[in-house]
Amino acid sequence: ETGVTQTPRHLVMGMTNKKSLKCEQHLGHNAMYWYKQSAKKPLELMFVYNFKEQTENNSVPSRFSPECPNSSHLFLHLHTLQPEDSALYLCASSQDFSSSNPQGNTIYFGEGSWLTVV
Amino acid sequence: QQQVKQSPQSLIVQKGGISIINCAYENTAFDYFPWYQQFPGKGPALLIAIRPDVSEKKEGRFTISFNKSAKQFSLHIMDSQPGDSATYFCAASMSKAAGNKLTFGGGTRVLVKP
Repeated sequence: ETGVTQTPRHLVMGMTNKKSLKCEQHLGHNAMYWYKQSAKKPLELMFVYNFKEQTENNSVPSRFSPECPNSSHLFLHLHTLQPEDSALYLCASSQDFSSSNPQGNTIYFGEGSWLTVV
Repeated sequence: QQQVKQSPQSLIVQKGGISIINCAYENTAFDYFPWYQQFPGKGPALLIAIRPDVSEKKEGRFTISFNKSAKQFSLHIMDSQPGDSATYFCAASMSKAAGNKLTFGGGTRVLVKP
């Protein structure tokens, strides 16, 4: 148990569907992340939130829409996805960027949501 | 500039042997180098990390060696055990840069044979 919980663990959706991935962290962190892990590419950072504010959008297509209502929850809304978007989507959290604690860089990952787009 | 190159892609080692995974980076502004371990069906978990002010860090059977001039760092798994079979990712980031963004290597799948 890493303290970062993702649901659902598995999702199959059609290209015209709208679905959402949910992430919740119980670590008292203030920064949250979405990463994409696919077989053909290294782990890719998608979005970063710090104190609920988005600080990074790594050129992610608009069919992926993140939402961070508070420091403990992060969503990834999915709409009109393509088959090549099938991957493992990992949520993560860490201490906020303003921390001078050397452990502030430690990122804790959830177990991921396996997404298949058909 | 942001790439981290990891090798080999896969590694098979006998129980009790040494597993060695290498990473190289280009961006000299990177100052934090963690290694993550990922078991099938799980998310990556921090294994060990190093900063450039030291050349080596050891935690149990896991050792990071860091060569700042060569811009390379490596993970050594001593006395490898079947339970070490996993995918290992090196990563790098700039701790002072806003965003705490990790750049990951491509991963190395390690199989330890009993």
